Amino acid sequence: GAVVSQHPSWVICKSGTSVKIECRSLDFQATTMFWYRQFPKQSLMLMATSNEGSKATYEQGVEKDKFLINHASLTLSTLTVTSAHPEDSSFYICSARLGGNKNTEAFFGQGTRLTVV
Amino acid sequence: AQSVTQPDIHITVSEGASLELRCNYSYGATPYLFWYVQSPGQGLQLLLKYFSGDTLVQGIKGFEAEFKRSQSSFNLRKPSVHWSDAAEYFCAVLNNAGNMLTFGGGTRLMVKP
Repeated sequence: GAVVSQHPSWVICKSGTSVKIECRSLDFQATTMFWYRQFPKQSLMLMATSNEGSKATYEQGVEKDKFLINHASLTLSTLTVTSAHPEDSSFYICSARLGGNKNTEAFFGQGTRLTVV
Repeated sequence: AQSVTQPDIHITVSEGASLELRCNYSYGATPYLFWYVQSPGQGLQLLLKYFSGDTLVQGIKGFEAEFKRSQSSFNLRKPSVHWSDAAEYFCAVLNNAGNMLTFGGGTRLMVKP
């Protein structure tokens, strides 16, 4: 199947710094990518939908200025957690769907564990 | 709005025993349904999916799921569980626009030797 790669897999940063997480579709083009957040022992919550060449669509309650999303190419979307605080510590997962067909599988990255100290 | 409920937060089964993980969904149209598995600290792997056709869907690793419209359910089953099946399992529903995948709360499976 198609591969989605996230980088880094784990990052620890000081409170107040900004952290960028990359999500790449390695062998296919993805016009749309999705960013999820997962707290320990909880389910995935959709944060935003990233559209190539246009602004991301954020879910209710997600701060746009806090979580900056850039989808500059058909194979790369980035999530930047700005001025990170300990409450931002979480597991962030991206996914991408092959083409725009809703009947296709969504492929997930391996996730990025963010720890803010 | 679509939603997914997984009633069982934790399930423990003995190795070799059969398994059924429950999933109930709420969606106004024909649902597209998925089961994913997540190992600790890892991303998600698709086990199987249902879009249309045969309501009994076969997946990887010996898993199957049955779509029952009358019960709004999509339960995951496996005849004989292996220790390596211990993980978190998520049921999900995709909206018709194909731009939102909603997850259930997950079921953590533990396997006893």
